[in-house]
Amino acid sequence: SYELTQPPSVSVSPGQTASITCSGDKLGDKYAYWYQQKPGQSPVKVIYQDNKRPSGIPERFSGSNSGNTATLTISGTQAMDEADYYCQAWDSRTSVVFGGGTKLTVL
Amino acid sequence: QLQLQESGPGLVKPSETLSLTCIVSGGSVTSSSFYWGWIRQPPGKGLEWIGSIYYSGSTYYNPSLKSRVTISVDTSKNQFSLNLSSVTAADTALYYCSRDFADCGGDCQPSYYYMDVWGKGTTVTVSS
Repeated sequence: SYELTQPPSVSVSPGQTASITCSGDKLGDKYAYWYQQKPGQSPVKVIYQDNKRPSGIPERFSGSNSGNTATLTISGTQAMDEADYYCQAWDSRTSVVFGGGTKLTVL
Repeated sequence: QLQLQESGPGLVKPSETLSLTCIVSGGSVTSSSFYWGWIRQPPGKGLEWIGSIYYSGSTYYNPSLKSRVTISVDTSKNQFSLNLSSVTAADTALYYCSRDFADCGGDCQPSYYYMDVWGKGTTVTVSS
């Protein structure tokens, strides 16, 4: 079955750039999606189709996907960005696959 | 604005069937290009996709749960449902319903597919 791997945690200082990776076999041949989940809340998509940003999502959120790795980048990270982030892809055999999630700490 | 509301028992006994319903308001389950799905999150853990359904009845299921899962849609009530049989403590989780966007609906293979709108979730505990 298809799997996506994320680092369990990433730390970043306020105002700096945070990068969260998501790895999977030939992930660049698929679309990658990213969801933000804050404590006690439902997930919210922050990036879809690799690098598209939904309305209402700040410009500091961006995405890329190539080779075996998709990356969510948060520029000028703010305290409000502290959350769990999940990547997701569609695989023809496994259907929807989520990564294990990355806890972003802003300190 | 589309809203999703999960409903169902918060406590289920081991070996029984977990049944949840998602009521859709502000939109129609018969809208093209949208699937209707279920995702769960065990306490303190990550997201696990369960499955989804198109209004025509076409379904996708997580291979690891497929033998126990049935997802159905009721277009007359504008809602869809999840049945998970033979539950154990490992099925204790927060269950979300979702509207999923795909570039095709029905018997086809999407090239893109993602969760567009999420419900607030409902907690289900499996315990005797």
